[in-house]
Parts: sequence; structure tokens; C-alpha cells
Amino acid sequence: DIQMTQSPSSLSTSVGDRVTITCRAAQSISSDLNWYQQKPGTAPKLLIFAASNLQSGVPSRFSGSGSGTDFTLTISSLQPEDSGTYYCQQSYSTPLTFGGGTRMEI
Amino acid sequence: EVQLVESGGGLVQPGGSLRLSCAASGFTFDNYAMHWVRQAPGKGLEWVSGISWNSNSINYAESVKGRFTVSRDNAKNSLFLQMNRLTTEDTAFYYCAKGPLTASELDHWGQGTLVTVSS
Repeated sequence: DIQMTQSPSSLSTSVGDRVTITCRAAQSISSDLNWYQQKPGTAPKLLIFAASNLQSGVPSRFSGSGSGTDFTLTISSLQPEDSGTYYCQQSYSTPLTFGGGTRMEI
Repeated sequence: EVQLVESGGGLVQPGGSLRLSCAASGFTFDNYAMHWVRQAPGKGLEWVSGISWNSNSINYAESVKGRFTVSRDNAKNSLFLQMNRLTTEDTAFYYCAKGPLTASELDHWGQGTLVTVSS
């Protein structure tokens, strides 16, 4: 199984901040890395697929980068509605695996 | 609009069985792989199983292999998860999700159904 490690595990931020979350894969996964946002009591929502592709309907302040083993999710100017937990997920091989999550408080 | 609606969750005793269903609408069901992902209360996400559009490719997490069986009925736009020999470790919200492939992003998720395994 490919282990995914996210950092930080939590962060406290402010509206307007630029935030970066990192995700590291235990082995190379090419660009097969996806990012999700989950708000309390709701299902995860896909933000970024294939490392850097913005899912339809997701605001352009979200962006992703990276390849191989190191990836980042950046939110350029935080909005109040961006609070929640963010997960990375590798889709290079099964079993699909997720990072442990980054809880973001605004 | 894509809709995925899970059902079948509930309280079950350790060693018992439960069958989850996921009703899909708003997209061409047999064009997509489908997945089950679970989340224990207050914990992170764990992928459980995935099935290809034609059921030819099926994968499971090691933690459920031999106990859980995924299936789908393309004629009824439905996904299923038969869960046997349940343990307290299986207590979680179970989400169904769709994706292009059995190894891919999960682009739409249902609202989840809660499975509680307790005596």
C-alpha cells in the first residue's frame, strides 16, 4: 500500500491568508494525486484531480502542484467558507489511500 | 445533477451482517467505476472497495477482504456492499462515490450511511 503523509495536521489561519498544505507519497505516484475538502457532517468534495486540475465549480483560489512524491495544495486568499478538513488521495494504484487530513480553522 | 444516495446502515451486533445500497442518478451509471469509502466517527477517510463499470475489476482494502463483497446492478443504477462478520472496527459512515476508473479520483460522493457495530 502507498502511504500518504500530510502536513500540517492542523492550522489556524485568517481570512485573506495564503495557505499551503503538503502531501508526500511513500513512493512515486506520478501525478496521480487528488485533493478533497470535507466540512463537518458532510461528504468530502473533490477540489483538485491529477495533481493540478481544478474540478468543475471549484473556485480558482484553489490550486495544486507537484509530481512524483511531493505535492501541495494552495489556497491563495482564504475565505470563511474554506474552513474544514483537507485530504489528499493517491490514485496511482489500489488500494486507494488517503492522507491523514489537515484541519483548517479560520 | 449527480445524486448518490446510500441506505441500509444501522446498528448490528459483532459477527453480524449488513447490506448497504447506493442509488445513483444524474449520470450514465455504467460508464463509471464505483467505490465505497468509510470514515469512523472523528477519524480520517479509508477506501474500502472499488468496482469497474462492468464488474470485471474489483478491489478491496486488506481490512475487509474476505468479509465484504461489492457488486453493482447497472440495469437498476445501483451499487451494493455486503458486509459479513462485522466487528466494532467497522463502525463508520460509509460513503459511495463515483470515479472514472477503479484507480482514480472520486468526483462525486453520497451523503453517507452510518454503520454501528456494537453489542
